Amino acid sequence: DQQVKQNSPSLSVQEGRISILNCDYTNSMFDYFLWYKKYPAEGPTFLISISSIKDKNEDGRFTVFLNKSAKHLSLHIVPSQPGDSAVYFCAAKSSGTYKYIFGTGTRLKVLA
Amino acid sequence: SAVISQKPSRDICQRGTSLTIQCQVDSQVTMMFWYRQQPGQSLTLIATANQGSEATYESGFVIDKFPISRPNLTFSTLTVSNMSPEDSSIYLCSVDGSRYTFGSGTRLTVV
Repeated sequence: DQQVKQNSPSLSVQEGRISILNCDYTNSMFDYFLWYKKYPAEGPTFLISISSIKDKNEDGRFTVFLNKSAKHLSLHIVPSQPGDSAVYFCAAKSSGTYKYIFGTGTRLKVLA
Repeated sequence: SAVISQKPSRDICQRGTSLTIQCQVDSQVTMMFWYRQQPGQSLTLIATANQGSEATYESGFVIDKFPISRPNLTFSTLTVSNMSPEDSSIYLCSVDGSRYTFGSGTRLTVV
């Protein structure tokens, strides 16, 4: 049972436009969420996080939105740059645990 | 956030052999985690390594296959034992801090 789902395996966006990556989860106990970026031959790099007490968190070009009722979060990248081309993972956990559940990733390609 | 050095970065191994992966952290951390990412799959937690105690394994992973050492607060190893082609994956260590940080990964191919 995949508790964290990224239903779009890939996404292509023009440089300068907005990239929106989506993530759905099934476990209502999840209350802390992360987004990671992964380049080939490198480990995942932390991007941004959000806890369930918020519905939005922003860091530069990256904004994460959390819709608890829909059990959905999204990562917005504005403006998208070619260097953003990577695989993006969302991950979730519940408080009091250390174990994150990861999605399968979305490969973003930003076209110059 | 912590910086993790993981090695080897990649290896090609014969079936039936074992490979030990090392992770060195630049600061003391209580918990270290080992993940596996099979082709096209998400990251799956193998086990949690605490210094001074036996590792805690997730369902589907056993100590005989994936023995872990945690001799101090900055270092851990994962061994993939008696390898088969199904063990071909990326293996990652990570630590939990202000930012859950990963090593660069070990790409293992078993032939």
